[in-house]
Order: sequence, then structure tokens, then C-alpha cells
Amino acid sequence: ETGVTQTPRHLVMGMTNKKSLKCEQHLGHNAMYWYKQSAKKPLELMFVYNFKEQTENNSVPSRFSPECPNSSHLFLHLHTLQPEDSALYLCASSQAQTGVGETQYFGPGTRLLVL
Amino acid sequence: QKEVEQDPGPLSVPEGAIVSLNCTYSNSAFQYFMWYRQYSRKGPELLMYTYSSGNKEDGRFTAQVDKSSKYISLFIRDSQPSDSATYLCAMYLPSGSRLTFGEGTQLTVNP
Repeated sequence: ETGVTQTPRHLVMGMTNKKSLKCEQHLGHNAMYWYKQSAKKPLELMFVYNFKEQTENNSVPSRFSPECPNSSHLFLHLHTLQPEDSALYLCASSQAQTGVGETQYFGPGTRLLVL
Repeated sequence: QKEVEQDPGPLSVPEGAIVSLNCTYSNSAFQYFMWYRQYSRKGPELLMYTYSSGNKEDGRFTAQVDKSSKYISLFIRDSQPSDSATYLCAMYLPSGSRLTFGEGTQLTVNP
């Protein structure tokens, strides 16, 4: 595997379910990101981890819970979601979160549908 | 007001046409400007990266930044059907770590 991988690619869940999204990067990067992409809206940054430490939480509801056990893996735990949470969830990584225009590399995303 | 404005399209052009994609932004402090291309069912991939004002060319692609007008452009020459995708502009503040994206423009190049 190369680049940034995400599993599952598609997920359908009910509002009472609990599920997790997984992201893995094979680039040796130290920063990882979760984004939400909805139709007709810009990408929304959700969380940032830099060297396994969470550095940003962009006012995301607590029904989304991130976890970063090491610099290569990032999870997004989902519980009691709402239909409006249906979207494409993208993971990205960069060398580090240095704030000087780091290039971010994206995974293919998980298409989530909440019924 | 959105920080970054981008016409979502859709934009449809014939093969071989010159395509112009544009974004405007409100924060004059933005310094790093990027264009990402996103094919259907894929994540965005970095296409062009420019710092501050000026032009940058890479093959059929040219990125322009006009900081005085707070306007950036991506030109595609001799467009091909394989260029059909959504193009996202994005920009960084010099001191921040957050990429701010435009909404994306959906482009179709017809053979």
C-alpha cells in the first residue's frame, strides 16, 4: 500500500449505531487530519493531530471522537450520528503541522450515509 | 461572507479549449495558494502550489496569483477529457496551519 488509505470506502449506519473509520498513511508523515466534505460546501477541517497529539478540534460535535494511536494511524469513532452527518470523510497527512504551507496528501475518503 | 469564494459550476468545455478556473478571497494575509484536483470517488490531489504573487507553469497548467485583487486562477491549456474533475482552490495563512478551501468547480471536458 502507498500513500494514504481509508477503510471502509462506504458505510451505511443507523442513528443508534457505533462505527469507526480508519486511516493509515504510508508516507512517514507526522501530522494527520480529518475533513468532512459535503455537497456544495468547502472541505471542513474537523481534527488535526501532530506527532500523535491533538492540536485542533474545529468545534466538532462530541458524537465524533478521533483517536491517533501513532503517527501512521488515525481513527474517527462515530456514535448516535444524525442524517446531516452524511458526507464524504477525508483523511489527510503532511510531513508535520508546521504552519508554513505544508502539502497535505489525501486519502480516497469514506462515503458515509446515516439513515 | 465566505473566506474563499469559488464558482461551483458545473463548467463544460470541448476538448482542446483553454479553461480558466478562479477563486477570490477576503483575507489579504493569505500567502500560500494551492490547487487540488479531485476525481470522482477519489480524494483531492495537489496539482499546483504557489507562494505569494506571480505565475507558475507546469506543463499545460498555469497558476496565477494576484494579491492586490485577492484573486487566484488556474489555466488549463489544450484541455483533455482526462482533466474532467472538481478543482479546489486552497490557501494558507503564513502563521496558521489550517488550509482554507473553496467550494470546488466541477469541470467536464467533452471529447
